Amino acid sequence: DAGITQSPRHKVTETGTPVTLRCHQTENHRYMYWYRQDPGHGLRLIHYSYGVKDTDKGEVSDGYSVSRSKTEDFLLTLESATSSQTSVYFCAISPQGSGNTIYFGEGSWLTVV
Amino acid sequence: AQSVTQLGSHVSVSEGALVLLRCNYSSSVPPYLFWYVQYPNQGLQLLLKYTSAATLVKGINGFEAEFKKSETSFHLTKPSAHMSDAAEYFCAVSDRGYQKVTFGTGTKLQVIP
Repeated sequence: DAGITQSPRHKVTETGTPVTLRCHQTENHRYMYWYRQDPGHGLRLIHYSYGVKDTDKGEVSDGYSVSRSKTEDFLLTLESATSSQTSVYFCAISPQGSGNTIYFGEGSWLTVV
Repeated sequence: AQSVTQLGSHVSVSEGALVLLRCNYSSSVPPYLFWYVQYPNQGLQLLLKYTSAATLVKGINGFEAEFKKSETSFHLTKPSAHMSDAAEYFCAVSDRGYQKVTFGTGTKLQVIP
């Protein structure tokens, strides 16, 4: 158990609406990540964070923003949801000194209709 | 830039047969390498990782992988497949000193009774 809680776990939303996914961790890890998983694409990094208010883009960041105002929370926002953002979203952490080992949350299933 | 290629999006083996899932990586510096497993509707679980010690790495559930620098490979093997091994497997790479982890597109393993 990596001590990661994602919410909501399932959401259906309409095109054009903003959506925020929350990732909460209990162990004060510095590094946090948001990935999306799609068939045929594996997992692709959206954004990651290396500390409070320190974030950077991943390979598929367009249409997404993130915020980290507290160590324990990493928020992913879809500014105006599109059908192409229908996906499973995974939050992850990497403990310092772990050799970049990633531990995942249980995922958030998002459907944009 | 780091990347991984997983050969074969679907692999089928008979119960009791050898499991071989292939992964080749690209990295400009000595990498960290990982295998993860995902069961249906679940998050990803770390199977094993290579950080720089022994080139043959043993993981959970009887899996192991061998780091071969000359072949830039990190193939996953298990001597005898079990029905419970049916899942999707992801190879991942991370350059040392660089906190991002890049995943392959995954290989679905089917175990035939």
